[in-house]
Amino acid sequence: QQQVKQSPQSLIVQKGGISIINCAYENTAFDYFPWYQQFPGKGPALLIAIRPDVSEKKEGRFTISFNKSAKQFSLHIMDSQPGDSATYFCAASMSEETSGSRLTFGEGTQLTVNP
Amino acid sequence: NAGVTQTPKFQVLKTGQSMTLQCAQDMNHEYMSWYRQDPGMGLRLIHYSVGAGITDQGEVPNGYNVSRSTTEDFPLRLLSAAPSQTSVYFCASSYSRRVESYEQYFGPGTRLTVT
Repeated sequence: QQQVKQSPQSLIVQKGGISIINCAYENTAFDYFPWYQQFPGKGPALLIAIRPDVSEKKEGRFTISFNKSAKQFSLHIMDSQPGDSATYFCAASMSEETSGSRLTFGEGTQLTVNP
Repeated sequence: NAGVTQTPKFQVLKTGQSMTLQCAQDMNHEYMSWYRQDPGMGLRLIHYSVGAGITDQGEVPNGYNVSRSTTEDFPLRLLSAAPSQTSVYFCASSYSRRVESYEQYFGPGTRLTVT
């Protein structure tokens, strides 16, 4: 059973556009929600993360929006660039458990930004 | 720092063979984990360790063994390889509980094919 569902599976945007990736979770005990970015042939790398005590977190062109009541969170990439082309994974964990080491991942979204 | 290193990078096994995937980190992280990545399924946790001498099962532990004799190393053993274990395997590590950062650092992965 997939506890974190991610959509869309793939996304194509034009350079300068906004990329939006959505995730929904089931376990209300989750309290740490990171996004990881993965380039081909590489391991995932942390992009940005949020806790449910805030509704939004922004780092440069990347923003997480969090809706606790709907159990949903999303990644917005503003002014998307070809260098942003990668696979993006949302994830969730319970911080009380083991420092977030038990991550539950979404299925992944392959983002392509056309020049 | 080398970060998280994994060997080998590629491996082909025949059904029934056994092997060990190596993982090492030089960041003095307490937590280490193994994930497998399959298309359309994201990353799934196989086993994890909260410190030397302590391991526990993740979401998909069957067919895999782990041990943690040192802080630095966390090998993953396939006991009797099956085609269903064809996947890309990632090792990850992180610090113990720190409010400001639960970032997991991933290795470059091992691509395993079982024929």
